[in-house]
Amino acid sequence: GAVVSQHPSRVICKSGTSVKIECRSLDFQATTMFWYRQFPKQSLMLMATSNEGSKATYEQGVEKDKFLINHASLTLSTLTVTSAHPEDSSFYICSARGQTDTQYFGPGTRLTVL
Amino acid sequence: SQELEQSPQSLIVQEGKNLTINCTSSKTLYGLYWYKQKYGEGLIFLMMLQKGGEEKSHEKITAKLDEKKQQSSLHITASQPSHAGIYLCGADTFGGAQKLVFGQGTRLTINP
Repeated sequence: GAVVSQHPSRVICKSGTSVKIECRSLDFQATTMFWYRQFPKQSLMLMATSNEGSKATYEQGVEKDKFLINHASLTLSTLTVTSAHPEDSSFYICSARGQTDTQYFGPGTRLTVL
Repeated sequence: SQELEQSPQSLIVQEGKNLTINCTSSKTLYGLYWYKQKYGEGLIFLMMLQKGGEEKSHEKITAKLDEKKQQSSLHITASQPSHAGIYLCGADTFGGAQKLVFGQGTRLTINP
């Protein structure tokens, strides 16, 4: 149980385009989902927390207009990187938290902006 | 702000040897989570510790949380190649796993 999926696993896009990443909890309802960013050989940095049906809470330094988060249902959250630039290239990982005090992580999405 | 220090940053051990990874917090924790990550992949949940002095084991991995709930260790007995990866500790300082702060990770290599 507690499986979280992400789609796509890899995406390459041109500078200036927008990219949407989906995070789904497959076998449980996620009241809260989290989006992290990870640079090579570094730890995870929390970007934002999203609760179903409400606005996401962004961490300090994360541009909410740049990284749009939608948590429309208890099993789906999306992260849209708007007008992506090469510096946005990174590994994006989501996690989902259900009834238990544990975050379960997706497999990650590697974004490369050319 | 919450700081979480992991040590060592990297570790190379011979297959079959035991090893320990440490995670130290600057604040008392509501919970401490251990995850394993393979490069370029997501995190696999290993164990969660919430009570001072708590110890949990799964197969050959044992995690402990000290009485003050500021320090945790992850011990692997008789290491195997499948144990190789990056181990991350995550600190819950708000309660209910609402927000986790992660250590910088320990890269474990197992030599045959």
